[in-house]
Amino acid sequence: AQTVTQSQPEMSVQEAETVTLSCTYDTSESDYYLFWYKQPPSRQMILVIRQEAYKQQNATENRFSVNFQKAAKSFSLKISDSQLGDAAMYFCAYRLSNYGGSQGNLIFGKGTKLSVKP
Amino acid sequence: ETGVTQTPRHLVMGMTNKKSLKCEQHLGHNAMYWYKQSAKKPLELMFVYNFKEQTENNSVPSRFSPECPNSSHLFLHLHTLQPEDSALYLCASSLGGLATYEQFFGPGTRLTVL
Repeated sequence: AQTVTQSQPEMSVQEAETVTLSCTYDTSESDYYLFWYKQPPSRQMILVIRQEAYKQQNATENRFSVNFQKAAKSFSLKISDSQLGDAAMYFCAYRLSNYGGSQGNLIFGKGTKLSVKP
Repeated sequence: ETGVTQTPRHLVMGMTNKKSLKCEQHLGHNAMYWYKQSAKKPLELMFVYNFKEQTENNSVPSRFSPECPNSSHLFLHLHTLQPEDSALYLCASSLGGLATYEQFFGPGTRLTVL
């Protein structure tokens, strides 16, 4: 069974600094997607960034980038120039590619709570 | 209204009550999901609907009963709940059931069972 592990329950970063959130996963599949979701306090969960496993190039979205190490099954999120609005729970998630049934469902980690200090 | 909306946002109920959670998506999506989010646990998928048909029931107790009358609306009917069912219930939708389609989440309903 696929599992997703986030080993850092909480992280803290100074405003304008860079922080890296860790995620590891376990799968025997080769074709899948990885995601980072952000859930601000009392607000909706939104997708931050997505990585297709077949792509070697790391995904980037403005200040957010990932370090995808397929062999190591590692998928960390780097947030550069941290802003107060980045404070939230961050969830790493895995999904098997191109399955519409149960094997294609999102599997989440427990989350990392990120605090941003002014 | 845009995106995925959920009502009510907060709900307190006794163990003998019957209540319903409502989810509505305004994105033209065909797949809808119910998740349970408990403290210090990963999000747990409960149900999946594709084109109004239930395609996933993740071993959810029968005291939770989903209903999907059309592709835009999803309900979760609750009866005879237990205190351990207290959690944030999230609804999500996506264009289809494939992994390539991003899931959009609602704000959730915070449920407390007394």
